[in-house]
Amino acid sequence: QKEVEQNSGPLSVPEGAIASLNCTYSDRGSQSFFWYRQYSGKSPELIMSIYSNGDQEDGRFTAQLNKASQYVSLLIRDSQPSDSATYLCAVNRGASGTYKYIFGTGTRLKVLA
Amino acid sequence: IAGITQAPTSQILAAGRRMTLRCTQDMRHNAMYWYRQDLGLGLRLIHYSNTAGTTGKGEVPDGYSVSRANTDDFPLTLASAVPSQTSVYFCASSFGRGYEQYFGPGTRLTVT
Repeated sequence: QKEVEQNSGPLSVPEGAIASLNCTYSDRGSQSFFWYRQYSGKSPELIMSIYSNGDQEDGRFTAQLNKASQYVSLLIRDSQPSDSATYLCAVNRGASGTYKYIFGTGTRLKVLA
Repeated sequence: IAGITQAPTSQILAAGRRMTLRCTQDMRHNAMYWYRQDLGLGLRLIHYSNTAGTTGKGEVPDGYSVSRANTDDFPLTLASAVPSQTSVYFCASSFGRGYEQYFGPGTRLTVT
């Protein structure tokens, strides 16, 4: 079992729809969770961070965390063609843990105009 | 400088040669990291540094070395490059463990 798992996709959604990206993790000690967007040939760009159970919203993005079920998700509302990219999930044990962040291999999102 | 810079942007290197990838940040972050990204394998941590003068090994440290003489710079050295080190290398930094990481633009390295 991979430490952080994501469906590789591609996930195709029509423009204006909600894109839902999911990530599961195996380390129950994980405390910090991050979503990155990576365009082809570019570096990962931080979108959201979430540290406690529940939802956290930032503009069109909502991160959802459920530590009991060990999953974190990212919702993108009103999806735009410019959202087409690979989305990486990353986890870390937080301030009491290590400096090792574990990344998933990413989900490729395609927003169709 | 704004954020993290890396140099060179890309490099083609003959096997057996020595190469240093440079990374500089201006965010006064304590922690810095080096990752390699390969198709299908995702981002893998090579080495990290939690503060100037201290470094640690990541998931794939063999064949690489790092140093952290000051807060801003974190060079990665390949002592004798091999073709399996062909990859895209990203430097990142964070305030500390558990905090958001910010990535540099990357170095595309090809070892022939």
